Amino acid sequence: DTGVSQDPRHKITKRGQNVTFRCDPISEHNRLYWYRQTLGQGPEFLTYFQNEAQLEKSRLLSNRFSAERPKGSFSTLEIQRTEQGDSAMYLCASSRTTERYGYTFGSGTRLTVV
Amino acid sequence: GDSVTQMEGPVTLSEEAFLTINCTYTATGYPSLFWYVQYPGEGLQLLLKATKADDKGSNKGFEATYRKETTSFHLEKGSVQVSDSAVYFCALSQTGANNLFFGTGTRLTVIP
Repeated sequence: DTGVSQDPRHKITKRGQNVTFRCDPISEHNRLYWYRQTLGQGPEFLTYFQNEAQLEKSRLLSNRFSAERPKGSFSTLEIQRTEQGDSAMYLCASSRTTERYGYTFGSGTRLTVV
Repeated sequence: GDSVTQMEGPVTLSEEAFLTINCTYTATGYPSLFWYVQYPGEGLQLLLKATKADDKGSNKGFEATYRKETTSFHLEKGSVQVSDSAVYFCALSQTGANNLFFGTGTRLTVIP
C-alpha cells in the first residue's frame, strides 16, 4: 500500500494554458474523488468515480474542467484555458466501496496560474 | 445547504495542555461527522468519525462527541504533544452522499 500519489506536486502555468494532473489511487480502491482547496478554506468536492464511471460532479466543475478514469485505475483532471481563480491545491482521494468515508488523500497538486 | 463552521485559528498551546477545537454544523437530517488532520507536507488523514447522535469518536487520544441538540462535534485532547501540530478539519456527509463538506480548518501549533 503506497498510498495515493499525485503528480505533479506543483504546477505553475500562464493564464489561458491547459494543465493536466494525474492521480494514482490505492490499487484496490474502486472509488476516487477530486477536491479543490483554496488558501484558508477547507477542501471542496469536485467529482467522484466508481471504477471508470464518473457518477457525480459538483457545480464547481465548470465546462473548462474534465476528469477521466479510463480503466478504473488512475485518474486525470484537466483544466482548459486556466484562469487565475483556478489557483488552488487539487486533492485526490480514494476509498473502498465498503469504506465510503474512509478516504485516503494524496498530498495534492498545487496549481498557480500567473 | 449543508455547512460546517470551525473555530478560527491559529491555536498555540504548550505541550501537555488541554485542547478543544470547536465545530458546529448546519445540515438536514442525520449527517455523519468527521475530523481530518493534515500534518505538514502530507495529505489529509481521517482522525475520527461519528455516524449518529451521541456517538463518540476517538483515536490517538483525541475525542469528539456528536451532539445533535447543539449541532456540534468539538474535538478534544487531554494532553497535546508537539507531534500533534497540524491543521484539523471538521467535516460532514449526508447519508447516501458521496462527498464531504469541510470546515475551513484550524491550525494547531504545540510548543515544547
